[in-house]
Amino acid sequence: EDQVTQSPEALRLQEGESSSLNCSYTVSGLRGLFWYRQDPGKGPEFLFTLYSAGEEKEKERLKATLTKKESFLHITAPKPEDSATYLCAVRLVVDSSYKLIFGSGTRLLVRP
Amino acid sequence: EAQVTQNPRYLITVTGKKLTVTCSQNMNHEYMSWYRQDPGLGLRQIYYSMNVEVTDKGDVPEGYKVSRKEKRNFPLILESPSPNQTSLYFCASSLGTAVETQYFGPGTRLLVL
Repeated sequence: EDQVTQSPEALRLQEGESSSLNCSYTVSGLRGLFWYRQDPGKGPEFLFTLYSAGEEKEKERLKATLTKKESFLHITAPKPEDSATYLCAVRLVVDSSYKLIFGSGTRLLVRP
Repeated sequence: EAQVTQNPRYLITVTGKKLTVTCSQNMNHEYMSWYRQDPGLGLRQIYYSMNVEVTDKGDVPEGYKVSRKEKRNFPLILESPSPNQTSLYFCASSLGTAVETQYFGPGTRLLVL
């Protein structure tokens, strides 16, 4: 069964304390992995797309990496404004059509 | 401003009363999609559309209908809502299915009594 699992469910960091969020997947026919940020009461905001193992993308304090089985979102020296829920999703090809599967997210809280 | 809009933002209804949630985007995107978000279950895709008059089922299509008569609009229709369709709904659009950033709307919170 196609599955996307994010860990940890919640993470508390002190400002400046770097860490990583994990997104592991067991799927066939992967056609991209996406990371999103979601603030309370709002829709997800796109961060990164990764297509192949070894690929890396960076944006400010965030860096996303991809292997054949998982993706990491590294947060370097986080600030309180980085507090949000981070979602990953994988896109698959199923019977010639696309399917998107989301993980349940990691709630990140960065304390000043 | 590039955006995806949804209406209404909040809706309380009763079982069996047909409703439509509208979604519109102003970015000329081909791909549009509807999701529902429930605690502990994350975002699940309901339906998607790769272009005008082309729609396909996502993971949880039961009890929902969609249409794509124009490129900018992708309404979600609940013909006979039930309490298990109480959820937070998001519409999203993107330029294509291969290389895109997917833009999400602000969400519609639906309560079915």
